[in-house]
Amino acid sequence: QSALTQPASVSGSPGQSITISCTGTSSDVGGYNYVSWYQQHPGKVPQVIIFDVSKRPAGVSTRFSGSKSGNTASLTISGLQADDEADYYCSSYTSSTTLLFGGGTKLTVL
Amino acid sequence: QVQLQESGPGLVKPSETLSLTCTVSGASISLYYWTWIRQPPGKGLEWIGYIYYTGITNYNPSLKSRVLISIDTSQNQLSLQLNSVTVADTAVYYCARAAIVRGGANYFDPWGQGTLVTVSS
Repeated sequence: QSALTQPASVSGSPGQSITISCTGTSSDVGGYNYVSWYQQHPGKVPQVIIFDVSKRPAGVSTRFSGSKSGNTASLTISGLQADDEADYYCSSYTSSTTLLFGGGTKLTVL
Repeated sequence: QVQLQESGPGLVKPSETLSLTCTVSGASISLYYWTWIRQPPGKGLEWIGYIYYTGITNYNPSLKSRVLISIDTSQNQLSLQLNSVTVADTAVYYCARAAIVRGGANYFDPWGQGTLVTVSS
């Protein structure tokens, strides 16, 4: 099983919106609404910010939103802030009842 | 508030067995599913597997032949054993609570702080 495909890096200025894509197959991202997104600041522990494609855990800012179209899921961060600078990972349930992570995307706030 | 803490040797020799323990506090380990995830230095996340208190397990196929996850409900702990390690197994190892759907892992929250295990002679 190959990792889900994410861009290696994205960037944006404060206040702007950015979108990170996560591409899989019909056996994972495209087949189920079980895509999650994690934020990991340097040297810190990953934290879930989106689950079930578009649900936010309690306490997560509404600036974070998730969506899916076909085999590609997306994380959108609106109103970029300096603290959003981090690595972002997607994950998906698979038809083999395993879980795949994406390779990760480094977000730089300019 | 559920909290997790990993512990174990930070250095393991090639071909030997990596053994880690995760102590859960703030909740009975029998209430949830639990998982192990690893992250090589500077690289991405890799799911290792999960366990339920009944002993039900599910492993990443790429590691399945070398991995054993077990649970000790009396100590509120779960454990990870990875056999025949190589330098490629050098990583930060995290334990986490797992949300399960259709028999598979969905998402993980919360996570432990992680522990770095280096494989080197």
